[in-house]
Amino acid sequence: DTEVTQTPKHLVMGMTNKKSLKCEQHMGHRAMYWYKQKAKKPPELMFVYSYEKLSINESVPSRFSPECPNSSLLNLHLHALQPEDSALYLCASSQGAPATFFGQGTRLTVV
Amino acid sequence: GNSVTQMEGPVTLSEEAFLTINCTYTATGYPSLFWYVQYPGEGLQLLLKATKADDKGSNKGFEATYRKETTSFHLEKGSVQVSDSAVYFCALSFLQKLVFGQGTRLTINP
Repeated sequence: DTEVTQTPKHLVMGMTNKKSLKCEQHMGHRAMYWYKQKAKKPPELMFVYSYEKLSINESVPSRFSPECPNSSLLNLHLHALQPEDSALYLCASSQGAPATFFGQGTRLTVV
Repeated sequence: GNSVTQMEGPVTLSEEAFLTINCTYTATGYPSLFWYVQYPGEGLQLLLKATKADDKGSNKGFEATYRKETTSFHLEKGSVQVSDSAVYFCALSFLQKLVFGQGTRLTINP
């Protein structure tokens, strides 16, 4: 099973809402990632968790709050987002280097 | 620093044509190299990878060879199909990060 599962697939939220994106993998990978992808651009790294600890935060605004409850799950909590935060949010996982497997993404629209 | 430069797109070909998408990289050390494919409305799928110089990655008829002397990892396919229409990203792995090229949109016409 080489699958990374993300929910929901689509999300529309207002600027005052709080919502969460969820990601799950059962490949035993110990590194999990959040990427943000704007239209017609490559993915940009947001956060990396390694062995359930946050190891990289690419200077992401605090309105994005990651959480890794266990080695299989990764959440991204969203609060007070702006319309420019609308994008495809991709979760990924890997076991050391080098391969990284991506989920299908959550398409987020902030209104 | 580490960076990836991809052939400018979009690229439009006829079915059964030969495909090359150029990718060159700049890196400190010896990164692993990847090609990812993204179909419309979907996430990224790992297409192939190479972890050291002269390695050839291959999958689904696509190939790419890690060329250290030219710092390149060009993607090739001998005969493309309509179903190959997608965006292709070249990437390198540095520490825990993937560094992507800008992507090349490929359209195959029947």
